[in-house]
Amino acid sequence: DAEITQSPRHKITETGRQVTLACHQTWNHNNMFWYRQDLGHGLRLIHYSYGVHDTNKGEVSDGYSVSRSNTEDLPLTLESAASSQTSVYFCASRLAENTGELFFGEGSRLTVL
Amino acid sequence: AQSVSQHNHHVILSEAASLELGCNYSYGGTVNLFWYVQYPGQHLQLLLKYFSGDPLVKGIKGFEAEFIKSKFSFNLRKPSVQWSDTAEYFCAVNGWSNAGKSTFGDGTTLTVKP
Repeated sequence: DAEITQSPRHKITETGRQVTLACHQTWNHNNMFWYRQDLGHGLRLIHYSYGVHDTNKGEVSDGYSVSRSNTEDLPLTLESAASSQTSVYFCASRLAENTGELFFGEGSRLTVL
Repeated sequence: AQSVSQHNHHVILSEAASLELGCNYSYGGTVNLFWYVQYPGQHLQLLLKYFSGDPLVKGIKGFEAEFIKSKFSFNLRKPSVQWSDTAEYFCAVNGWSNAGKSTFGDGTTLTVKP
């Protein structure tokens, strides 16, 4: 079955370190998204991509970057982790714009000490 | 810009009670609307969606939602909740002219007491 997987599921890191969260989908979806989920804020969009080599900033993109070298993967990098980036991160994908719902991964819980 | 407001942050109900969760959105054009559910410890999954046509849409597990364009609302309903409905519920809007980005509300935590 097609799916979307995130790794690692849990990570603890220190302030200032670089962290990369992986997202891999096997649906051949063009659209991929990264959200962070925080209590009282729901899900906020970090970055998104509509295809290979396409990346765009979301509403809370500062301190994060993404790259899209193939259809299946959209890794999220925290260049210099900060305590404010402690959160649960969800990757999601969709076939194309305005075509339907998002399919979510299981989430990655990141703690920055 | 588009935005979503969910009025209830935490709802507590007894089993068999009726449920209505409010959702209002702000966007000036055509929208797609969604309700997602997140069961404890799990990822978000689609509950139901509205694209066009009949404004009353039915989803999984007996949930339904009504799109009222004049009120910019998309409220979620269920006539009789079960303990297994305990979860967090998110309303989301996808404005057609907003590059296909989905904006989520802050979520409503539903606790159903057995």
